[in-house]
Amino acid sequence: TQLLEQSPQFLSIQEGENLTVYCNSSSVFSSLQWYRQEPGEGPVLLVTVVTGGEVKKLKRLTFQFGDARKDSSLHITAAQPGDTGLYLCAAPSGNTPLVFGKGTRLSVIA
Amino acid sequence: NAGVTQTPKFQVLKTGQSMTLQCAQDMNHNSMYWYRQDPGMGLRLIYYSASEGTTDKGEVPNGYNVSRLNKREFSLRLESAAPSQTSVYFCASQTGSGTQYFGPGTRLLVL
Repeated sequence: TQLLEQSPQFLSIQEGENLTVYCNSSSVFSSLQWYRQEPGEGPVLLVTVVTGGEVKKLKRLTFQFGDARKDSSLHITAAQPGDTGLYLCAAPSGNTPLVFGKGTRLSVIA
Repeated sequence: NAGVTQTPKFQVLKTGQSMTLQCAQDMNHNSMYWYRQDPGMGLRLIYYSASEGTTDKGEVPNGYNVSRLNKREFSLRLESAAPSQTSVYFCASQTGSGTQYFGPGTRLLVL
């Protein structure tokens, strides 16, 4: 059983569209991170959310941590081809410093 | 600052051969990590080192060994490579606040 379930697994949209990807769990987390990974590179941290209900904005990206700290969402407004990549959520769990979801692979077509 | 560097970038091994993947960071971080990334499986933790002189197993440690040579360097060794170890390997280091910085990865093919 995957600790962090990400959906959808794949998403292909046209430039200018809005989208939301999700990261869900039955566990409560002290914090949750979102990373973006471009082809041939390592993941890069986008944001860390800590407080239940917290909303953080990074330009056209809006991140929300669920009130119960079990889930999170990433909303992209007016997607651009530069947003293409693998979006990963991650959270500390037990003795494991960071557990990753399997990711959502986003393709934005011009 | 170079951040996290990994060598080699690519490697092809035959079953049974050994090799060491090198990782170095210049950010003075205490914690370092080794992950493997496989299609459909996401990033899985192999081993980590919370500080110089300590190492701990992650989710998938079998078939691997690690050495935290000093604060900067954390190496991953495959003693007898198997086709199941074909993967992309990422090294990361972590700040005190929990942000991980990843290297560019090593692509390993075991025939």
